Amino acid sequence: AQRVTQPEKLLSVFKGAPVELKCNYSYSGSPELFWYVQYSRQRLQLLLRHISRESIKGFTADLNKGETSFHLKKPFAQEEDSAMYYCALLAAVDSSYKLIFGSGTRLLVRP
Amino acid sequence: DGGITQSPKYLFRKEGQNVTLSCEQNLNHDAMYWYRQDPGQGLRLIYYSQIVNDFQKGDIAEGYSVSREKKESFPLTVTSAQKNPTAFYLCASSTPDRDELFFGSGTQLSVL
Repeated sequence: AQRVTQPEKLLSVFKGAPVELKCNYSYSGSPELFWYVQYSRQRLQLLLRHISRESIKGFTADLNKGETSFHLKKPFAQEEDSAMYYCALLAAVDSSYKLIFGSGTRLLVRP
Repeated sequence: DGGITQSPKYLFRKEGQNVTLSCEQNLNHDAMYWYRQDPGQGLRLIYYSQIVNDFQKGDIAEGYSVSREKKESFPLTVTSAQKNPTAFYLCASSTPDRDELFFGSGTQLSVL
């Protein structure tokens, strides 16, 4: 079964503290994973994709196939990082593809 | 101004009524998607379309219908068979390599 699990509904940290938003996936093929972010009153948008191994706004995410995880990390959280974060898996279905989202984690960075 | 436009922002449905949510994109994307967003459940895929005149059911298609007669448009109809339609509905389209989804600003549907 294709599934994305984000175990934490809410993660609250103080400014300057490290952040790790957890994401685990279940997929029989070669996974393509993404993190999407939704800031208050803004549209859902792509934050980063594992395939490009990039760092965006100080966030990184490493694909760990052994643990089937794609956790999002940032060493020092900022207040402007407060948002809803969704992990997503691109799954092949017959001859098409669909993006499967986790249930999301709300990150709250306190001053 | 390129992007995805969803309308209306807010929609109210009476019991037994069908309502249609509009989604238009001018990004020249082939693939379009409809998601439903409920608190604590994230985004769940309703229908998706990889190309004009073709679409597939997502994970929660029951009570919904779509059409894809034009590349730019992917309207979603919430039928009376959908017993719990109150939710926030998001439309998206993707780049040809499916590398990134671009989302609309959403439609909040409520039942009167």
